[in-house]
Amino acid sequence: GAGVSQTPSNKVTEKGKYVELRCDPISGHTALYWYRQSLGQGPEFLIYFQGTGAADDSGLPNDRFFAVRPEGSVSTLKIQRTERGDSAVYLCASSLVQGGRTDTQYFGPGTRLTVL
Amino acid sequence: GDSVTQMEGPVTLSEEAFLTINCTYTATGYPSLFWYVQYPGEGLQLLLKATKADDKGSNKGFEATYRKETTSFHLEKGSVQVSDSAVYFCALAGSARQLTFGSGTQLTVLP
Repeated sequence: GAGVSQTPSNKVTEKGKYVELRCDPISGHTALYWYRQSLGQGPEFLIYFQGTGAADDSGLPNDRFFAVRPEGSVSTLKIQRTERGDSAVYLCASSLVQGGRTDTQYFGPGTRLTVL
Repeated sequence: GDSVTQMEGPVTLSEEAFLTINCTYTATGYPSLFWYVQYPGEGLQLLLKATKADDKGSNKGFEATYRKETTSFHLEKGSVQVSDSAVYFCALAGSARQLTFGSGTQLTVLP
């Protein structure tokens, strides 16, 4: 079946602008995660959704970052007033949750965000 | 909090050499442990996993054993191929559901 998809694959924006990054999880996966990967580093957790609600947003770096998942499927990560330090690859992952334990997370190809 | 410490790279090996990439972790409770791989130009893929102590995960000739006594999950392969060239990430899923990753190890295998 189809994997996790993310759009756009690349986004170039200017400092101060607003951007939206989209994630389509694997069908039926109730858990959805956003991570950020800077060059030469491992992914860092941003936010986790279980269904429509944000179960854990402790990784969001500041209030310029916000994410939604209104129907429990597609999610959008929103970044206001972008800064050059926001430049990174933003990864989305989804998983099943079975018996209260999270199953393997499957990752999308990522969106490379460049803030000029 | 949870953390993963991974062997620094880059690592360069000749084809058919033995590979070890060290990974140790800090976590409360009993985390699940993972190795993910990122091939050039591709997304993160799960390579193998282990969910409890003494479990061995294996895939594509790679193996890793969950060692609770040493809090380690070292990745090994007996004979690497050029196609194994990639970045390898060790990760854990602890009491929180998100993954905590190491910084990654770049592996280059020369023919």
